[in-house]
Amino acid sequence: AQSVTQLGSHVSVSEGALVLLRCNYSSSVPPYLFWYVQYPNQGLQLLLKYTTGATLVKGINGFEAEFKKSETSFHLTKPSAHMSDAAEYFCAVSDRTGGYQKVTFGTGTKLQVIP
Amino acid sequence: GAGVSQSPRYKVAKRGQDVALRCDPISGHVSLFWYQQALGQGPEFLTYFQNEAQLDKSGLPSDRFFAERPEGSVSTLKIQRTQQEDSAVYLCASSLVGLAGDEQFFGPGTRLTVL
Repeated sequence: AQSVTQLGSHVSVSEGALVLLRCNYSSSVPPYLFWYVQYPNQGLQLLLKYTTGATLVKGINGFEAEFKKSETSFHLTKPSAHMSDAAEYFCAVSDRTGGYQKVTFGTGTKLQVIP
Repeated sequence: GAGVSQSPRYKVAKRGQDVALRCDPISGHVSLFWYQQALGQGPEFLTYFQNEAQLDKSGLPSDRFFAERPEGSVSTLKIQRTQQEDSAVYLCASSLVGLAGDEQFFGPGTRLTVL
């Protein structure tokens, strides 16, 4: 069974500082990898995903993530935090061998941006 | 609207009551997923539909939970004899095809509180 670990349930950064949210997965075969963002009282929105090809993936709102097979990681970064980035972020995986997309989510990281 | 909608947005039930939660997916989306998100946790898979067929219900926590999608569009998640541990946000997501790696589009969720 696949699992996802997000280090740090809460992360605080100053406005303009680097954002780094960590995600590690456990799977015998590298899965499809996703980052979703959830704003209060809203559903999840896809930030970016890795399926194949280039390991550095760029997403919406200036976020990017790099798939590192050797480290089984898919950390999310943004060079300069904005107040509007305050939200909860979920890393997720989907088994490549499955016929459909059964997604396993991490427990989430709440990002606080300090003015 | 073009997105996934869910109703009601909030539901308060007394323990033992039955509840029905509705999901309207994006028009034309073949796949529909239900997730349960407990407080402070990531979403957990409940069940999956491809058109009207329920192909995976392995995540339903007990036989009190029942989901249907009779015409391959709107879906209803029913919980019978609600218990306090059923309190959570129930998320619905749809996907154009639903293959592994596809993006899922999430609704805003229904927050169920069982007293």
